[in-house]
Amino acid sequence: EAQVTQNPRYLITVTGKKLTVTCSQNMNHEYMSWYRQDPGLGLRQIYYSMNVEVTDKGDVPEGYKVSRKEKRNFPLILESPSPNQTSLYFCASRRDRGDGYTFGSGTRLTVV
Amino acid sequence: SQQGEEDPQALSIQEGENATMNCSYKTSINNLQWYRQNSGRGLVHLILIRSNEREKHSGRLRVTLDTSKKSSSLLITASRAADTASYFCATDGKGAQKLVFGQGTRLTINP
Repeated sequence: EAQVTQNPRYLITVTGKKLTVTCSQNMNHEYMSWYRQDPGLGLRQIYYSMNVEVTDKGDVPEGYKVSRKEKRNFPLILESPSPNQTSLYFCASRRDRGDGYTFGSGTRLTVV
Repeated sequence: SQQGEEDPQALSIQEGENATMNCSYKTSINNLQWYRQNSGRGLVHLILIRSNEREKHSGRLRVTLDTSKKSSSLLITASRAADTASYFCATDGKGAQKLVFGQGTRLTINP
């Protein structure tokens, strides 16, 4: 089944403890992206990648890192999480520009 | 920045009725897309309409695009309880490398 798999689905962590949210797609898509969704603010792009080893900042990149060492994987790294990073995170991929995105099921992160 | 603005923010109708949601945007686009999100879950791509298209159909969905007015509408015909969800428009801007999402319309279908 064609899908984007994110892990974990839920995560509660403490301020400053490094964490990684994994994202993997099995569709050989070129483009991958991370979004966060917050009430009243909607979906905002954090980082995106157009291909292996090509990543760039979205609208809200502060406090996040990403890597794209392989085409299928696009992990989101929070080096020192803070409570304002409490949010619902989505990874998404698409074949190329002009296509729709396939979204993962989301990761609900709480930083206390 | 949020480009897509949706109207209404919330819509409640009876099962079997048609539901219409509108989206306005600000800049030139390559395409406009509509997504559905069930509460707290991932977004599901519904339909994509390119800037040179005016109307597109997919099952019970009908999307229109008016680039002169920078607006789009999503019509869901013969609504069902399972259509209850939030619906988002997203614009794929010229020269941009991202989709910009609207705030969404929360649709409730009453049995």
